[in-house]
Formats: sequence, C-alpha cells, structure tokens
Amino acid sequence: EVQLVESGGGLVQPGGSLRLSCAASGFTFSSYSMHWVRQTPGRGLVWVSGMSTDGSNTIYVDSVKGRFTVSRDNAKNTLSLQMNSLRAEDTAVYYCARWDDSGKGMDVWGQGTTVTVSS
Amino acid sequence: DIVMTQSPESLAVSLGERATINCKSSQIVLYSPSNKNHLAWYQQKPGQPPKLLIYWASTRESGVPDRFSGSGSGTDFTLTISSLQAEDVAVYYCHQYYAAPYSFGQGTKLEIK
Repeated sequence: EVQLVESGGGLVQPGGSLRLSCAASGFTFSSYSMHWVRQTPGRGLVWVSGMSTDGSNTIYVDSVKGRFTVSRDNAKNTLSLQMNSLRAEDTAVYYCARWDDSGKGMDVWGQGTTVTVSS
Repeated sequence: DIVMTQSPESLAVSLGERATINCKSSQIVLYSPSNKNHLAWYQQKPGQPPKLLIYWASTRESGVPDRFSGSGSGTDFTLTISSLQAEDVAVYYCHQYYAAPYSFGQGTKLEIK
C-alpha cells in the first residue's frame, strides 16, 4: 500500500523551530518529487515547498523562503521540512504529498501533522 | 502568481441530482508540450487529507466513480457529479500545477439538500 506518514508537529513559540518528517512506503520514493502543502481554516490549502527526486532542485512559496528548508533521504525514504523563525501564521496542518511527474501532480497525500505557533 | 477562484462557495443538492462546481484560473494552465491543462480536482472529507479525483482537467484518477467528471480548458473549468450520493458530501478544491507557486481554489462545500 502506498503510504505517507507525517510526524514532528506540535506547539512551538513564535521564533522557534520545528522539524517535520514524512515517511514513505509502498512505492519507489527516489523516483518521485515530493512536496509540502499546509492547510488552515482561514487560508485553505497552500502549497509550501517541493523537492526533485534527487534533491538537486527545491522550490518554496515566498512566505517561507529563507525560513523553511526541505530535504530528503532517499536511502531512508524520508522527506523533511525544517521550519525556523516560526510565526503565528505558520500554524496549520502540514501535509506531504507525492508528485507524479507523468502529469498528475500531487496524487498521494499523508494524513497531516499539526503545527501550532503560539506563546 | 496564478489565482484560482471557485464558485459557488457552498452548494446543496438533492440525492441523485447533478452538482456542478466551477473554477477559474487567472492565467492559462495549458502545458504546451503535452497540450494538457495542468488542473486537478480534489475531494476532502472532514479529518482526511485531500483525495485526487481528476487530473489534466478531465482524466479521472484510478478508482474514482464515473459519476465524477471534469471539463474545461484555458482558464475555465468545471467539476460535475452526475448523480449525487450521500458519500459525496465533502469540500472540493481545484488546483493548478502548471506553475509554482502552485495554487488551490478556496474550496466548495457540497451538502445534501
């Protein structure tokens, strides 16, 4: 079964850091680009970041550039998102998603992990 | 950046009736090399992640019932549920994956009348 499982969410103070992980199984992780998307009741679904199959290319939404860093370990089938200088507006459910390069876009999503930035 | 605008924000349809959701992109999302629109539709039920229903504007994902169909090209797209079932109650999102930053519509909440 194709599966993505996020972890690492929690409560953090403004200015703090958090590292999210996404464990992949059931498919050849190294063959797929991977992305992060977050969701809040107020702002809906927002794409955050993406990384190519070998990690050589990364892209970010402007609001997280310079604060968030995406990485992957193809040997461990894991995608990560290091989040620094967190702000209240980063509060959201964070999903990792598999990107099908044949043209489907994001075809498999994890269940999400909740990040709350509050003092 | 490409802005995706969905209408209506909410929709109540009787069981067995047709539901139609519209999506407009602020720019064309047609990928020239493949001549396919990079437009997807997702279904999200409470407490669950989004589920891919339609990609390339009109291609159903494997396992998606054929009562779901997508249409449109250029900047105007439509998701149609031909005969609403109780299990179709959800929020539906359109999504452009043509150009980063990839973007989503604000969602349409579909309920039973």
